Amino acid sequence: NAGVTQTPKFRILKIGQSMTLQCTQDMNHNYMYWYRQDPGMGLKLIYYSVGAGITDKGEVPNGYNVSRSTTEDFPLRLELAAPSQTSVYFCASRGQSAELETQYFGPGTRLLVL
Amino acid sequence: GQNIDQPTEMTATEGAIVQINCTYQTSGFNGLFWYQQHAGEAPTFLSYNVLDGLEEKGRFSSFLSRSKGYSYLLLKELQMKDSASYLCAVRKGQGGKLIFGQGTELSVKP
Repeated sequence: NAGVTQTPKFRILKIGQSMTLQCTQDMNHNYMYWYRQDPGMGLKLIYYSVGAGITDKGEVPNGYNVSRSTTEDFPLRLELAAPSQTSVYFCASRGQSAELETQYFGPGTRLLVL
Repeated sequence: GQNIDQPTEMTATEGAIVQINCTYQTSGFNGLFWYQQHAGEAPTFLSYNVLDGLEEKGRFSSFLSRSKGYSYLLLKELQMKDSASYLCAVRKGQGGKLIFGQGTELSVKP
């Protein structure tokens, strides 16, 4: 299993541009999450999904959109990039059984908005 | 609301023991997690407590007191590679949402 994969690894955007951060997991996990992490801080939940076709807002959803058309993929969309969205973005997934309580994180996407 | 507090940074000596504390105030508590994060990398799972008491996993142990809203991570026989940020996270409700503290930056010195 590749686990949770994210693309791109790094991206520079100009203010007002849009982009989609890709996240894919091959563990057949129902739950998927998007976090952002600013320097020296913990992770803040942006959006999450409990299964295909179901998404919900986290702590900091403004400026972002998500979709979950398949179990494997959970893309995060930035429509009008702003400097405040400069951050490291982590995608995570989790299974449903008691033995799979932990969230598995992808390697992250570093985004710089100038 | 929710609030999770942990010290910003700690320093310890190789071979020693260090305890990283975490206090929380949140509704819908459904478990407490500790993650390790090396600089520039993704968080990796260390431990999980949902009931009161101590969970031991090799050199790492985690304790939870739900009535006090308190947890700690205990690292024994510190190694240089343990230098990292340690994130305390509370899970809320059934959706598995994690609310993270800001992290504790641990530096292990020779």
